[in-house]
Amino acid sequence: SYVLSQPPSVSVAPGKTARITCEGDDISSNGVHWYQQKPGQAPVVVIFFDSGRPSGIPERFSASKSANTAALIISRAEAGDEADYYCQVWDDSSGHRVFGGGTKLTVL
Amino acid sequence: QVQLVESGGGVVQSGKSLRLSCAVSGISLSVSEILWVRQAPDKGLEWVTLISHNGEIRAGYADSVKGRFIISRDNFQSTVYLQMNSLIIEDTGVYYCATLGDGGSFDNWGQGTRVTVSS
Repeated sequence: SYVLSQPPSVSVAPGKTARITCEGDDISSNGVHWYQQKPGQAPVVVIFFDSGRPSGIPERFSASKSANTAALIISRAEAGDEADYYCQVWDDSSGHRVFGGGTKLTVL
Repeated sequence: QVQLVESGGGVVQSGKSLRLSCAVSGISLSVSEILWVRQAPDKGLEWVTLISHNGEIRAGYADSVKGRFIISRDNFQSTVYLQMNSLIIEDTGVYYCATLGDGGSFDNWGQGTRVTVSS
Protein backbone atom coordinates (compact mmCIF):
# COMPACT_ATOMS: atom_id res chain seq x y z
CA SER A 1 0.00 0.00 0.00
CA TYR A 2 1.05 3.56 -0.64
CA VAL A 3 2.82 5.30 2.23
CA LEU A 4 3.20 9.01 2.94
CA SER A 5 5.85 10.09 5.45
CA GLN A 6 5.76 13.34 7.42
CA PRO A 7 8.03 14.62 10.20
CA PRO A 8 6.28 14.32 13.58
CA SER A 9 6.96 17.95 14.48
CA VAL A 10 8.11 21.25 13.02
CA SER A 11 8.85 24.45 14.91
CA VAL A 12 8.88 27.98 13.53
CA ALA A 13 9.36 31.43 15.01
CA PRO A 14 6.52 33.92 14.64
CA GLY A 15 6.76 35.81 11.37
CA LYS A 16 9.03 33.21 9.79
CA THR A 17 8.29 30.55 7.17
CA ALA A 18 7.39 26.97 8.08
CA ARG A 19 7.83 24.10 5.65
CA ILE A 20 6.10 20.77 6.31
CA THR A 21 7.16 17.92 4.05
CA CYS A 22 5.33 14.85 2.82
CA GLU A 23 7.33 12.11 1.14
CA GLY A 24 5.93 9.40 -1.12
CA ASP A 25 7.08 7.40 -4.12
CA ASP A 26 6.54 9.44 -7.26
CA ILE A 27 4.25 11.79 -5.37
CA SER A 28 4.62 14.27 -8.20
CA SER A 29 2.15 12.18 -10.20
CA ASN A 30 -0.54 12.48 -7.48
CA GLY A 31 -2.71 15.39 -6.56
CA VAL A 32 -1.78 16.30 -2.97
CA HIS A 33 -4.19 17.81 -0.46
CA TRP A 34 -3.32 19.37 2.90
CA TYR A 35 -5.47 19.58 6.04
CA GLN A 36 -5.16 21.55 9.24
CA GLN A 37 -6.55 20.11 12.47
CA LYS A 38 -6.66 22.06 15.70
CA PRO A 39 -7.23 20.28 19.05
CA GLY A 40 -10.77 19.03 19.48
CA GLN A 41 -11.80 20.12 16.00
CA ALA A 42 -12.45 18.42 12.68
CA PRO A 43 -9.83 18.81 9.96
CA VAL A 44 -10.07 21.66 7.48
CA VAL A 45 -8.62 21.56 3.96
CA VAL A 46 -6.07 24.34 3.48
CA ILE A 47 -4.66 23.29 0.08
CA PHE A 48 -6.43 21.11 -2.47
CA PHE A 49 -4.96 19.44 -5.53
CA ASP A 50 -1.39 20.64 -5.08
CA SER A 51 -1.96 24.38 -5.02
CA GLY A 52 -5.63 25.27 -4.76
CA ARG A 53 -6.57 27.41 -1.79
CA PRO A 54 -10.18 27.27 -0.54
CA SER A 55 -11.94 30.53 0.15
CA GLY A 56 -11.14 31.80 3.61
CA ILE A 57 -7.65 30.28 3.70
CA PRO A 58 -4.99 33.00 3.89
CA GLU A 59 -2.56 33.51 1.03
CA ARG A 60 0.18 32.73 3.54
CA PHE A 61 -0.61 29.05 2.89
CA SER A 62 0.92 27.60 -0.26
CA ALA A 63 2.40 24.31 -1.41
CA SER A 64 5.07 22.86 -3.64
CA LYS A 65 5.88 19.47 -5.08
CA SER A 66 8.88 17.68 -6.59
CA ALA A 67 9.53 14.08 -7.62
CA ASN A 68 9.07 12.38 -4.25
CA THR A 69 8.33 15.25 -1.87
CA ALA A 70 5.43 17.60 -1.41
CA ALA A 71 5.55 20.51 1.00
CA LEU A 72 3.12 22.82 2.73
CA ILE A 73 4.57 26.29 3.14
CA ILE A 74 3.24 28.68 5.75
CA SER A 75 4.64 32.19 5.41
CA ARG A 76 4.68 34.76 8.20
CA ALA A 77 3.69 32.13 10.74
CA GLU A 78 1.25 33.15 13.46
CA ALA A 79 0.34 31.63 16.81
CA GLY A 80 -3.04 30.69 15.34
CA ASP A 81 -1.32 28.41 12.82
CA GLU A 82 -0.36 25.98 15.57
CA ALA A 83 -2.08 22.73 14.64
CA ASP A 84 -1.56 19.25 13.22
CA TYR A 85 -1.15 19.16 9.46
CA TYR A 86 -1.83 16.15 7.24
CA CYS A 87 -1.07 15.49 3.59
CA GLN A 88 -3.36 13.21 1.62
CA VAL A 89 -3.42 11.61 -1.84
CA TRP A 90 -5.45 9.18 -3.85
CA ASP A 91 -3.63 5.89 -4.40
CA ASP A 92 -4.94 5.03 -7.85
CA SER A 93 -3.56 1.48 -7.71
CA SER A 94 -5.89 0.55 -4.83
CA GLY A 95 -8.48 3.30 -5.09
CA HIS A 96 -7.85 4.11 -1.45
CA ARG A 97 -7.31 7.58 -0.02
CA VAL A 98 -4.10 7.81 2.01
CA PHE A 99 -3.06 10.21 4.76
CA GLY A 100 0.40 11.03 5.96
CA GLY A 101 1.06 10.48 9.65
CA GLY A 102 0.66 14.17 10.47
CA THR A 103 2.99 16.94 11.60
CA LYS A 104 2.53 19.03 14.72
CA LEU A 105 3.42 22.65 13.99
CA THR A 106 4.61 24.74 16.93
CA VAL A 107 5.00 28.51 16.62
CA LEU A 108 7.42 29.77 19.26
CA GLN B 1 -24.13 26.00 3.64
CA VAL B 2 -23.13 22.35 3.64
CA GLN B 3 -23.49 20.67 7.00
CA LEU B 4 -22.73 17.12 8.08
CA VAL B 5 -23.79 15.75 11.45
CA GLU B 6 -22.58 12.37 12.69
CA SER B 7 -24.40 10.36 15.33
CA GLY B 8 -24.57 6.85 16.70
CA GLY B 9 -21.28 6.68 18.54
CA GLY B 10 -20.96 5.28 22.04
CA VAL B 11 -19.37 2.60 24.17
CA VAL B 12 -19.67 -0.97 22.92
CA GLN B 13 -18.10 -4.29 23.83
CA SER B 14 -15.65 -5.91 21.49
CA GLY B 15 -17.32 -8.28 19.07
CA LYS B 16 -20.51 -6.23 18.98
CA SER B 17 -21.92 -3.94 16.30
CA LEU B 18 -22.68 -0.25 15.97
CA ARG B 19 -24.22 1.84 13.21
CA LEU B 20 -23.09 5.40 12.63
CA SER B 21 -25.15 7.95 10.73
CA CYS B 22 -24.09 11.03 8.80
CA ALA B 23 -26.91 13.46 8.09
CA VAL B 24 -26.14 15.81 5.21
CA SER B 25 -27.81 19.15 4.54
CA GLY B 26 -27.16 22.09 2.25
CA ILE B 27 -26.26 19.89 -0.68
CA SER B 28 -28.04 17.18 -2.63
CA LEU B 29 -26.79 13.81 -1.48
CA SER B 30 -27.70 12.33 -4.87
CA VAL B 31 -24.78 14.18 -6.47
CA SER B 32 -22.33 13.89 -3.58
CA GLU B 33 -19.67 11.40 -2.70
CA ILE B 34 -19.35 10.84 1.03
CA LEU B 35 -16.53 9.26 2.94
CA TRP B 36 -15.67 8.20 6.48
CA VAL B 37 -12.39 9.00 8.20
CA ARG B 38 -11.47 7.94 11.72
CA GLN B 39 -8.93 9.03 14.27
CA ALA B 40 -7.75 6.86 17.14
CA PRO B 41 -6.95 8.68 20.40
CA ASP B 42 -3.85 10.87 19.94
CA LYS B 43 -3.24 9.34 16.51
CA GLY B 44 -3.48 10.52 12.92
CA LEU B 45 -6.28 10.43 10.40
CA GLU B 46 -7.22 7.15 8.69
CA TRP B 47 -9.45 6.94 5.63
CA VAL B 48 -12.10 4.21 6.09
CA THR B 49 -14.31 4.12 3.00
CA LEU B 50 -16.18 6.16 0.41
CA ILE B 51 -19.54 5.84 -1.32
CA SER B 52 -20.30 7.45 -4.66
CA HIS B 53 -23.41 9.44 -5.50
CA ASN B 54 -25.10 6.37 -6.99
CA GLY B 55 -24.17 4.00 -4.16
CA GLU B 56 -21.08 2.46 -5.71
CA ILE B 57 -18.20 1.64 -3.40
CA ARG B 58 -15.46 1.77 -6.03
CA ALA B 59 -12.61 2.38 -3.62
CA GLY B 60 -13.51 -0.41 -1.23
CA TYR B 61 -12.51 -0.21 2.40
CA ALA B 62 -9.35 0.32 4.36
CA ASP B 63 -7.64 -3.00 5.01
CA SER B 64 -8.15 -2.54 8.76
CA VAL B 65 -11.96 -2.66 8.41
CA LYS B 66 -12.51 -4.70 5.27
CA GLY B 67 -15.04 -7.47 5.79
CA ARG B 68 -16.37 -5.88 9.00
CA PHE B 69 -17.64 -2.42 8.01
CA ILE B 70 -20.31 -1.59 5.43
CA ILE B 71 -21.14 1.85 4.06
CA SER B 72 -24.57 2.63 2.64
CA ARG B 73 -26.70 5.64 1.85
CA ASP B 74 -30.32 6.75 1.79
CA ASN B 75 -30.64 9.71 -0.54
CA PHE B 76 -34.25 10.35 0.49
CA GLN B 77 -33.20 10.66 4.12
CA SER B 78 -30.04 12.49 3.01
CA THR B 79 -28.06 10.19 5.28
CA VAL B 80 -25.03 7.97 4.91
CA TYR B 81 -24.46 5.05 7.26
CA LEU B 82 -21.48 3.10 8.47
CA GLN B 83 -22.38 -0.33 9.82
CA MET B 84 -19.55 -1.54 12.01
CA ASN B 85 -19.53 -5.24 12.90
CA SER B 86 -17.17 -7.44 14.91
CA LEU B 87 -15.72 -4.39 16.60
CA ILE B 88 -12.25 -4.60 18.10
CA ILE B 89 -10.38 -2.37 20.56
CA GLU B 90 -8.44 -0.81 17.70
CA ASP B 91 -11.69 0.60 16.24
CA THR B 92 -11.85 3.07 19.14
CA GLY B 93 -11.70 6.68 18.02
CA VAL B 94 -13.56 9.62 16.55
CA TYR B 95 -15.35 8.94 13.29
CA TYR B 96 -15.85 11.78 10.83
CA CYS B 97 -17.88 11.89 7.64
CA ALA B 98 -16.92 14.32 4.89
CA THR B 99 -17.80 15.27 1.34
CA LEU B 100 -15.46 14.59 -1.55
CA GLY B 101 -14.81 17.75 -3.51
CA ASP B 102 -14.38 18.06 -7.27
CA GLY B 103 -10.61 18.25 -6.88
CA GLY B 104 -10.49 15.10 -4.77
CA SER B 105 -10.05 16.73 -1.38
CA PHE B 106 -12.32 16.22 1.62
CA ASP B 107 -14.08 19.55 1.60
CA ASN B 108 -16.73 19.58 4.31
CA TRP B 109 -16.49 17.65 7.56
CA GLY B 110 -18.83 16.82 10.39
CA GLN B 111 -17.87 17.36 14.01
CA GLY B 112 -17.28 13.64 14.55
CA THR B 113 -18.82 10.96 16.73
CA ARG B 114 -16.82 9.05 19.31
CA VAL B 115 -16.70 5.26 19.40
CA THR B 116 -15.19 3.37 22.32
CA VAL B 117 -14.76 -0.37 22.11
CA SER B 118 -14.22 -2.07 25.46
CA SER B 119 -12.94 -5.54 26.20
